Amino acid sequence: EAQMVESGGGVVQPGASLRLSCAVSGFTVSDHWMSWVRQAPGKGLEWVASIDQDGSEKDFADSVKGRFSISRDNAKNSLYLQMNSLSAEDTAIYYCATERTIFEIWGQGTTATVSS
Amino acid sequence: SYVLTQPPSVSVAPGKTATITCGGTNFGDYSVHWYQQKPGQAPVLVIHYDIDRPSGIPDRFSGSKSGNTATLTISRVEAGDEADYYCQVWDSSSGGVFGGGTQLTVL
Repeated sequence: EAQMVESGGGVVQPGASLRLSCAVSGFTVSDHWMSWVRQAPGKGLEWVASIDQDGSEKDFADSVKGRFSISRDNAKNSLYLQMNSLSAEDTAIYYCATERTIFEIWGQGTTATVSS
Repeated sequence: SYVLTQPPSVSVAPGKTATITCGGTNFGDYSVHWYQQKPGQAPVLVIHYDIDRPSGIPDRFSGSKSGNTATLTISRVEAGDEADYYCQVWDSSSGGVFGGGTQLTVL
């Protein structure tokens, strides 16, 4: 059974950084584009970033471009999101998901809270 | 940036049919996907590529698209269908685009 488990969330001050991880089991991550999608408290879903199978192609939402980076370690079957220069607007549940143009399988999410 | 428009809320009685719409532009150029999100849970894909159901999704869920409107239809609605529903497309300029979401209330 495919499973994705996010970790790395927490409470940080504005301007700080966080690195989120997504550990995948039940399928081979190297076969798939992978993405991060977030959801601010009480709000809708927002696509954040996607990365191709070997990490050579990456897409970012305008709201995070230049501050966030996405990476993967296929040997560890894992996905990462490095978040820098965080602001209150980045407070959200962050989900990892398979694919890019469609988000087929989702993890349960990890919460990042940016607050002074 | 590309925008998808959904009604904020839809209400339906149990056993009836719920329809949730998603409006966009040049919809013929896009594949529309639908997600169900129950409170405190991650989203689940319920319709992909406009009309197809992923494995494990009941056939009470169906999708359609006509002109610049995509529609998610839930037949014989059950209390367990109460959730937020989101439409989504991939736009070459904007990336992943979600509608604002529709809260389905089962009366």
